[in-house]
Amino acid sequence: QQQVKQSPQSLIVQKGGISIINCAYENTAFDYFPWYQQFPGKGPALLIAIRPDVSEKKEGRFTISFNKSAKQFSLHIMDSQPGDSATYFCAATVGWGNKLVFGAGTILRVKS
Amino acid sequence: EAQVTQNPRYLITVTGKKLTVTCSQNMNHEYMSWYRQDPGLGLRQIYYSMNVEVTDKGDVPEGYKVSRKEKRNFPLILESPSPNQTSLYFCASSANRADQPQHFGDGTRLSIL
Repeated sequence: QQQVKQSPQSLIVQKGGISIINCAYENTAFDYFPWYQQFPGKGPALLIAIRPDVSEKKEGRFTISFNKSAKQFSLHIMDSQPGDSATYFCAATVGWGNKLVFGAGTILRVKS
Repeated sequence: EAQVTQNPRYLITVTGKKLTVTCSQNMNHEYMSWYRQDPGLGLRQIYYSMNVEVTDKGDVPEGYKVSRKEKRNFPLILESPSPNQTSLYFCASSANRADQPQHFGDGTRLSIL
């Protein structure tokens, strides 16, 4: 049973377009929501993260939108580039202890 | 350079033959974790450690053991591996709690025949 549900499973976007990946959760105790980017043969790397007290966080071309009432959050990649082609994971965590719960992942392919 | 190093990177072995995957970090991080990654399931936490001699179960601990005798090392032990433990494994470290950036190793691909 996935505690964080991620969609879509895969996504193809044209270069310069906007990539959008969505996640939904049930556990209202989650208090930190990171996104990870993973290239083939590598471990995940932290991309951007948000706490539930803000509705949006932007870092460069990457933006997290957070809807606390709907228990949903999403990653937007503006001006998507072929170098953004990777697998993206959303995750959520509760308090202390380094215990992260991951979504199933989205394989993004940006076509040039 | 900040690093989490896992060894081996690839291993093919047989059911029941004990194996250890090592993990070492050079950042003096207190928190370390092990995850397994399976298609369609994302990453699932196996065990984590908050400091030397302090470990706790994650979501899928069955069939695995860990130890944390030194701050830098966090080995994952499969005492009697079975085919359902065939997976891609990642070790991660974090400065002091889950909401600090985590550094992941590059993974260990285990095949249990």
